[in-house]
Amino acid sequence: NAGVTQTPKFQVLKTGQSMTLQCAQDMNHNSMYWYRQDPGMGLRLIYYSASEGTTDKGEVPNGYNVSRLNKREFSLRLESAAPSQTSVYFCASTRQGDLSEQYFGPGTRLTVT
Amino acid sequence: AQSVAQPEDQVNVAEGNPLTVKCTYSVSGNPYLFWYVQYPNRGLQFLLKYITGDNLVKGSYGFEAEFNKSQTSFHLKKPSALVSDSALYFCARGDYKLSFGAGTTVTVRA
Repeated sequence: NAGVTQTPKFQVLKTGQSMTLQCAQDMNHNSMYWYRQDPGMGLRLIYYSASEGTTDKGEVPNGYNVSRLNKREFSLRLESAAPSQTSVYFCASTRQGDLSEQYFGPGTRLTVT
Repeated sequence: AQSVAQPEDQVNVAEGNPLTVKCTYSVSGNPYLFWYVQYPNRGLQFLLKYITGDNLVKGSYGFEAEFNKSQTSFHLKKPSALVSDSALYFCARGDYKLSFGAGTTVTVRA
């Protein structure tokens, strides 16, 4: 039982390049989330998926797209990376509807130059 | 908007002393409150939550938190801190979507 896994762990992009961050969970959770963590700002929600087949914007969705590929996988895509997207990205998952805790992946550290 | 605030960027305590990490929340909406901890280069881990019921909530690793409606606070406490408690602590609020505070860095010195 690996929990929530994320790939890659580290990535350096040039401005304008694109990439996809992958996330998978093996806990049969319904809901999945993408956050970014910046110093002094806590975690901010980018997108979430309440259940398979649905996605919704969070607090800071601009410049990102997501795909809920199936119940296990939730990917985050940067179409044209910008230096402002330099951050640590966390994926999380939770059961739906019972205010249960979120389980977080180990994070992806992204630098855009 | 529902939100939380962590008024202290850093907390420093000696090992064996009590540890308190402060969190306050805005009055509007349901106060579903959570504490998470982040160790260096790791993802967040759940410590405890308040949904309803007893104001004193017990969680993982000997931590507890007290929900105080009159002061709109949800402070995290540990009676005797360990060096291994040194980490970044986040207060969060929400139901299926969480809003996080900015975080408090806790350093426990030996």
